[in-house]
Amino acid sequence: DIQMTQSPSSLSASVGDRVTITCRASQSISSSLNWYQQKPGKAPNLLIYGASSLQSGVPSRFSGGGSGTYFTLTISSLHPEDFATYYCQQSYSLPHTFGQGTRLDIK
Amino acid sequence: QVQLQESGPGLLKPSETLSLTCTVSGGSISSYYWSWIRQPPGKGLEWIGYIFYTGSTNYNPSLKSRVTMSVDTYNNQFSLKVTSVTAADTAVYYCARHPSATGAGFDPWGQGILVTVSS
Repeated sequence: DIQMTQSPSSLSASVGDRVTITCRASQSISSSLNWYQQKPGKAPNLLIYGASSLQSGVPSRFSGGGSGTYFTLTISSLHPEDFATYYCQQSYSLPHTFGQGTRLDIK
Repeated sequence: QVQLQESGPGLLKPSETLSLTCTVSGGSISSYYWSWIRQPPGKGLEWIGYIFYTGSTNYNPSLKSRVTMSVDTYNNQFSLKVTSVTAADTAVYYCARHPSATGAGFDPWGQGILVTVSS
């Protein structure tokens, strides 16, 4: 199985801040990397697919980058509704695997 | 807009079989892959497996010996069975759609259903 490792595990930031979350794969996954946002009590919501493509309806302040084994999710200017947990997921090979999550809290 | 809804018992005893159904509305189950994903309380996400609308399946090796998935294209539903459950199977179970076996993200997701295993 491909192991996905996110950092940091938790992050405190303020409204308006720029934040970046990283995700590393245990082997190359090309650009088969997806990012999700999950709020308490809700299902995950797809933000970014194919490492850098913005899912329809997702605000442009979210962006993704990287390829191979190193990937980033950047929020350019935090809005109050962005405080949530974020997960990366590789779809390069089966079984699909997720990172452990990054919890983004209000400072 | 496609919507998914999980249904099934929320409480099981150890050694029983977990049976869940995901109903797809607003679109056809055909031409897509349909996955089950679970999340233990306070923990991360684990992919359980997928079923294609033709009935082809692929299961996570970590659960493969206990998992069976099936599809009912007439009623636009697909199902999950997990045998011999233990407390470690306590989780919120989600169903989700994806357009290919690999290379794509999961979207949309159902709202999730909490299944608790307790004696």
